[in-house]
Amino acid sequence: GENVEQHPSTLSVQEGDSAVIKCTYSDSASNYFPWYKQELGKRPQLIIDIRSNVGEKKDQRIAVTLNKTAKHFSLHITETQPEDSAVYFCAASIGAGKSTFGDGTTLTVKP
Amino acid sequence: GAGVSQSPSNKVTEKGKDVELRCDPISGHTALYWYRQSLGQGLEFLIYFQGNSAPDKSGLPSDRFSAERTGGSVSTLTIQRTQQEDSAVYLCASSLRGLAGGRNEQFFGPGTRLTVL
Repeated sequence: GENVEQHPSTLSVQEGDSAVIKCTYSDSASNYFPWYKQELGKRPQLIIDIRSNVGEKKDQRIAVTLNKTAKHFSLHITETQPEDSAVYFCAASIGAGKSTFGDGTTLTVKP
Repeated sequence: GAGVSQSPSNKVTEKGKDVELRCDPISGHTALYWYRQSLGQGLEFLIYFQGNSAPDKSGLPSDRFSAERTGGSVSTLTIQRTQQEDSAVYLCASSLRGLAGGRNEQFFGPGTRLTVL
């Protein structure tokens, strides 16, 4: 089955700096890659996603890039703010099939 | 509209007792997942239901764990003879199975916090 690895497990940045979280996947058939944000004590929520027919997608301060050849995708957060502090999870799936999650990255943005 | 709901929100039980956790997915969502999340940890996949297909039970940690989904809607996760290591937050999520290439966003419920004494 699919295996998703996520790095780093923890990340600390200064407010205003950029943060990058990387994930690799094993199944070349995977074609849907969402990112979820989980704030402390809350449920995970989708923040951005990308399909395999697209190399990059941006939404204000967040962007996701996908390299199908290398089977990795990354989340980029620019101009980080304290409210970006949370746990971020990547995932991969084949179409509407079962999603496999990474182990999560705890991002801390220091004011 | 209504999101995914779970009940109870908190459950405290004694070691050896059985517990049932309930999940009400978003109406019309054909896919339903159960995850377990220990404090500060990631999402541990337990079981996946998709329409009328046989569920993917590959994540269930032992035969003490089982789950049902009746009528393609409500799901119940049952843990028999609970152990202290079962203490965690149990999250349910549902998604709408769309056309190939469509979004496969999972909508999570608020979770049930299980404490086994």
